Amino acid sequence: DQQVKQNSPSLSVQEGRISILNCDYTNSMFDYFLWYKKYPAEGPTFLISISSIKDKNEDGRFTVFLNKSAKHLSLHIVPSQPGDSAVYFCAASTYGNKLVFGAGTILRVKS
Amino acid sequence: DVKVTQSSRYLVKRTGEKVFLECVQDMDHENMFWYRQDPGLGLRLIYFSYDVKMKEKGDIPEGYSVSREKKERFSLILESASTNQTSMYLCASSLLGGAKETQYFGPGTRLLVL
Repeated sequence: DQQVKQNSPSLSVQEGRISILNCDYTNSMFDYFLWYKKYPAEGPTFLISISSIKDKNEDGRFTVFLNKSAKHLSLHIVPSQPGDSAVYFCAASTYGNKLVFGAGTILRVKS
Repeated sequence: DVKVTQSSRYLVKRTGEKVFLECVQDMDHENMFWYRQDPGLGLRLIYFSYDVKMKEKGDIPEGYSVSREKKERFSLILESASTNQTSMYLCASSLLGGAKETQYFGPGTRLLVL
C-alpha cells in the first residue's frame, strides 16, 4: 500500500516551457514533504521541501505547491532546461520520522 | 561537500551467498540509512542507524541485517542472498535525525542475485 504516489511514470517537456510533476499522498499525518532529483549512475540529491503549514515554497526555478485538502503536491520547474532531465522522487514524513518515497517520475526536457 | 561512497557499483552474487554492502561517509554524520530502489516502487527504507552500534528497522528489513561499528561506516548484510533481493541499493547519511535533515546519497550498488 503506497502512501505516496507519483502516477505519471514519465513526462516530456520542451526546453523553456513549464514542467509540472505531481504527487499524491494518503496519510493525513504527513507534515513534511520533499523532492529529490536523481541522475543516472548517481544517488538522489535534495531539491526542495515544504512544511505542511505552508502551501508554497520557491527556490529559483523550482516551486513546490501543497494542497492539503486534496492531499496533493506538485513541483513546478520554470523554465525547464535540458539539464533538468532526471528522475524526480516525491517524499513525505510524519513528525520528523523516516521518509516515505514515491515511485518517481522521469522528466525529459527536449531542446 | 558531503561525500557518501559505496564499495561497489555493480555486484553479481549467487543464491545463498552472504553479501556485504559497504557505505562510508566523510562528514561526521550521526545518521545513516540503507534503501533499495525498485522500478514502480521508488526508494524503500531497509534499516537506519542514528549512532554507532545502534540500528532501527525500516519498512522492509526482512532478509537483511546491518552493522555500524564506526561512525563513518554502515554495512548492509544479506545473510543468504535470494533472487528477490536483486535491486539497486542506496546508502544515505544525514547530520542529525528527523526527516527535515537533508539526506546525502551515495551512487548506489546494483546487485544481481543469480
